[in-house]
Amino acid sequence: GAGVSQSPSNKVTEKGKDVELRCDPISGHTALYWYRQSLGQGLEFLIYFQGNSAPDKSGLPSDRFSAERTGGSVSTLTIQRTQQEDSAVYLCASSLTGNNLSGANVLTFGAGSRLTVL
Amino acid sequence: DQQVKQNSPSLSVQEGRISILNCDYTNSMFDYFLWYKKYPAEGPTFLISISSIKDKNEDGRFTVFLNKSAKHLSLHIVPSQPGDSAVYFCAASGKSGGSNYKLTFGKGTLLTVNP
Repeated sequence: GAGVSQSPSNKVTEKGKDVELRCDPISGHTALYWYRQSLGQGLEFLIYFQGNSAPDKSGLPSDRFSAERTGGSVSTLTIQRTQQEDSAVYLCASSLTGNNLSGANVLTFGAGSRLTVL
Repeated sequence: DQQVKQNSPSLSVQEGRISILNCDYTNSMFDYFLWYKKYPAEGPTFLISISSIKDKNEDGRFTVFLNKSAKHLSLHIVPSQPGDSAVYFCAASGKSGGSNYKLTFGKGTLLTVNP
């Protein structure tokens, strides 16, 4: 597609439930990222996928969070047993490659999935 | 531990005047800096960037200045337009450990340009 697509745009869930957030990156982009923005905070790095390499999961806040990228394209971020502190906007981004984020290789973000945990 | 700081949560300027948004960083390994702009209900969009080998980069009405010794950068918008009203995020990356794909963002500054 023309841009990065994320679904759902809004998700309200009860504490303890599992949620899945989906990201469809720009076609041809080999690098995919998940960030989240909690209220009043900057964007926080969660995970990075580059081609067939092992993902960088160093930003995942707990083992309740996991992500996968199937076929080098669509990615799903899963949060198990959601907690209220998981409430945030989850942003997905993609780029041509993960190296040298400049020129034509800048991150393009989706509109985000707003998660509210009651 | 905030490595990228935007100390002004908001800024209000008059249309036609200059907007100056500031950003400070603490990690000396950062060597690439970016500004992103975000409208409500949209994802951030790339605005302008600067490498640490430069001290200035200009793109139309937008200029980014980098002062490495002070670990400070600023974004100048001249002249400011009402359509510039948005949240502006400063971000940085570094090649420490070979990973320059990870951006560290500030909390953002809400710019309001009044007609």
